[in-house]
Amino acid sequence: AQSVTQPDIHITVSEGASLELRCNYSYGATPYLFWYVQSPGQGLQLLLKYFSGDTLVQGIKGFEAEFKRSQSSFNLRKPSVHWSDAAEYFCAVGVHTNTGNQFYFGTGTSLTVIP
Amino acid sequence: DGGITQSPKYLFRKEGQNVTLSCEQNLNHDAMYWYRQDPGQGLRLIYYSQIVNDFQKGDIAEGYSVSREKKESFPLTVTSAQKNPTAFYLCASKPSRGSYEQYFGPGTRLTVT
Repeated sequence: AQSVTQPDIHITVSEGASLELRCNYSYGATPYLFWYVQSPGQGLQLLLKYFSGDTLVQGIKGFEAEFKRSQSSFNLRKPSVHWSDAAEYFCAVGVHTNTGNQFYFGTGTSLTVIP
Repeated sequence: DGGITQSPKYLFRKEGQNVTLSCEQNLNHDAMYWYRQDPGQGLRLIYYSQIVNDFQKGDIAEGYSVSREKKESFPLTVTSAQKNPTAFYLCASKPSRGSYEQYFGPGTRLTVT
């Protein structure tokens, strides 16, 4: 069965520090990979996505993610975190099934940014 | 502006009452989804619809019902059979059955007492 794992439930970083949020997936073929961000009480906003090609993808708000096939990972990074980055981050995997393309979400990582 | 609208933002109901959450999109998307979000559990799929007049159960459909009479609308009814209905509910859509990326509405927080 397909699964998405975000091993860190909660991360705290200082403003200006670098950030890496981990995401691992379990799927037979290369899936389509996504990172979403959710501010408190809001919907999800797409940060970036990977379908194919260059394994390092750039997204909005200065985020990037790298697909590593050998590790089944799609970790999200940002060189310098801003206080406004405090939010919940979700990794998601899109896979093809007989009933249509399905989405699977990780359980999320909550990011706290301290001054 | 194109997007997904969910109303109301906050909803309060007494236990034993059915309640319907609204989801409207003007993106001309074929597929629409309902998710439930609880703290520490991520998003769980309730129902989805790939096309008008057709919908499928997700992972936690018990106690919920939906309809898809119009392309732009996918209302979710939380029935009295749902054991623990208090949660944050998110509606999403995507262009077609073959696409992957989903677009989300702002959510409705339902509190049942």
